[in-house]
Amino acid sequence: AQSVTQPDIHITVSEGASLELRCNYSYGATPYLFWYVQSPGQGLQLLLKYFSGDTLVQGIKGFEAEFKRSQSSFNLRKPSVHWSDAAEYFCAVAPRTNAGKSTFGDGTTLTVKP
Amino acid sequence: AAGVIQSPRHLIKEKRETATLKCYPIPRHDTVYWYQQGPGQDPQFLISFYEKMQSDKGSIPDRFSAQQFSDYHSELNMSSLELGDSALYFCASSLGGRGYEQYFGPGTRLTVT
Repeated sequence: AQSVTQPDIHITVSEGASLELRCNYSYGATPYLFWYVQSPGQGLQLLLKYFSGDTLVQGIKGFEAEFKRSQSSFNLRKPSVHWSDAAEYFCAVAPRTNAGKSTFGDGTTLTVKP
Repeated sequence: AAGVIQSPRHLIKEKRETATLKCYPIPRHDTVYWYQQGPGQDPQFLISFYEKMQSDKGSIPDRFSAQQFSDYHSELNMSSLELGDSALYFCASSLGGRGYEQYFGPGTRLTVT
């Protein structure tokens, strides 16, 4: 069965500092990979996705993620965090037969210090 | 741009009652997905529909049923509600059945008392 692990439940960074959120997955084959952001009481917004090709993926709001097959990882990065980035971030994997049937990680809550 | 619409946004029901949640996908999207997110938990896939047919099924209880209508909107029917059904229910839509890019609605917060 596929699974997603986000090792960091909560991360605090200072505004302007760089950010890396970790995501590891377990899956029989290379799945589709996603990062979503969720503000309190809001829906999920897709930040970026990886299907194939270039392993460094650019997303919205200045985020990027790198797929590393050897490490089964898909870490999310941002060079300079803004206060508005404070939210919960979910990594998700889905089978190639139905990219909508996503399995989500437990999420990482990001707090941004002024 | 039009987004996914879910109604109602908030719903309070008592145990053993029934509830119906509605989802209106983005225009021209033909695929709908339902997720359940319990308090402090990650979203769990429940069920999906493509072109009005069930395309996949996840951890949806037997007490729940869903369907997609001819205008592509979907309804999630929940019966014999339990306290543990209290959650945020998300609907997402995409085009083409394979979910390459899902757009999520704002969710319906169901509280069972």
